This record gives sequence, C-alpha cells and structure tokens, in this order.
Amino acid sequence: QVELVESGGGLVKPGGSLRLSCAASGFTLSDYYMCWIRQAPGKGLEWVAYISSTGSYSKYADSVKGRFTISRDNPKKSLYLQMNTLRAEDTAVYYCARLVVTVTSSWFDPWGQGTLVTVSS
Amino acid sequence: QSVLTQPPSVSAAPGQKVTISCSGSSSNIGNNYVSWYRQFPGTAPQLLIYENNKRPSGIPDRFSGSKSGTSATLGITGLQAGDEADYYCGTWDGNLSVGGVFGTGTKVTVL
Repeated sequence: QVELVESGGGLVKPGGSLRLSCAASGFTLSDYYMCWIRQAPGKGLEWVAYISSTGSYSKYADSVKGRFTISRDNPKKSLYLQMNTLRAEDTAVYYCARLVVTVTSSWFDPWGQGTLVTVSS
Repeated sequence: QSVLTQPPSVSAAPGQKVTISCSGSSSNIGNNYVSWYRQFPGTAPQLLIYENNKRPSGIPDRFSGSKSGTSATLGITGLQAGDEADYYCGTWDGNLSVGGVFGTGTKVTVL
C-alpha cells in the first residue's frame, strides 16, 4: 500500500527552525518527484517546494525561497523540508505528496496525513 | 493568493448535480492539464480527477472533469451526503517559480 507519513511539526518561535520528514512506503521513492504543500488554518492549498526524483533540482515558492530547503534520501525512503527563519505566516499543516509527472501533465497522489507547524512566541 | 478562481461554495439537494468551475489563464489552465482534489474536514486532500477528465481507480463515475480554454469544471452527479467536502483544482503555471498552483477551493454542501 502506497503511504506517506509526515513528522517533525510542532510549536516554534518566530525566527526559529524546524525540519519536517516524510517517510514513504509501498513504492520506489527514486521513481518520483516529491512535493511539500501547505495549508494555513482555514485557508487553501499552497505549493511550497518540489524536488526531482534524483534530487538534482528543486523549485520553491517565492514566499519560502531562501528560507526553506527541500531534500530527499532515496535509499532511506525519505523526503525532508528544512525550514529556517520561520515567520508567523508559515503556520500551517504541511503535507508531503507524491508528484506524478508525465511528459504533458502532473498530479499529486497520494498525500500524507500532514503535520502541523505553529510559529508563535 | 491563488491565480485559479473557484466559487467559494455550491450546494444542492441529494441526488442532484453540482458543477464547480476553476478559472485561470493561458499560463496555467490554458496550456496544462488540470487535476481535482477532495478534502474532508481535518483530513488530507485526495486525488479525484487527473489529466482534465480521468478518474483514479476507486473514484466513482459520478465525478467528472472537463476543460475548455482557460477554465475547467468538476461535476458531481447523484449528490450524496458523503460528498460534503472542500474541492480544489490544480495545475502547473509557467509564471510561477514553484511551478504549480491550486484553486481557491469550493465548499460543497448537500442540502
């Protein structure tokens, strides 16, 4: 069964750091792009960052560029999001998702259950 | 803020049909496939439609998708109480640094 399980969320002060992890099972992680998506309380979904299947390149939303770093360890079947210089507006549930990419299209399937990050003093 | 616009809410009685629109531009929907996701309260989103109109295994044919120009539409027929959820469209956007975007989301209410 294909599954993604996030961990590492919690309460952090503004300016602090946090590292999220996503454990993948039921599929070969190295075959897929992966993505972090977040959802602020009561708000919609926002792409945060994605990474290629080998980890050779990644892209970030402007709102997190320079502060967040996405990485992966395929042998360990894990995806990571290092979040530095956190701000109150980074408060959200963070989901990892498998990004299925073809020549002409892409979609997310499946999604993890999410981990809550709260940035507050 | 999202560049894909959806109505905040739609509603209908059980057994009826609802449609949810997703309006974008040439940089996103106009030149890319659209996917749709359903999110029940307190849970993670789930893939409902991919490549404009394809359903993953396990998704009933009551759910359908279409695309025309810079807009996409999700249809739900035979509405059931269990369809109450938030629905999001998503696609790539060539103008965004991160690559992709989701719609603003639509709350479906079964009257």
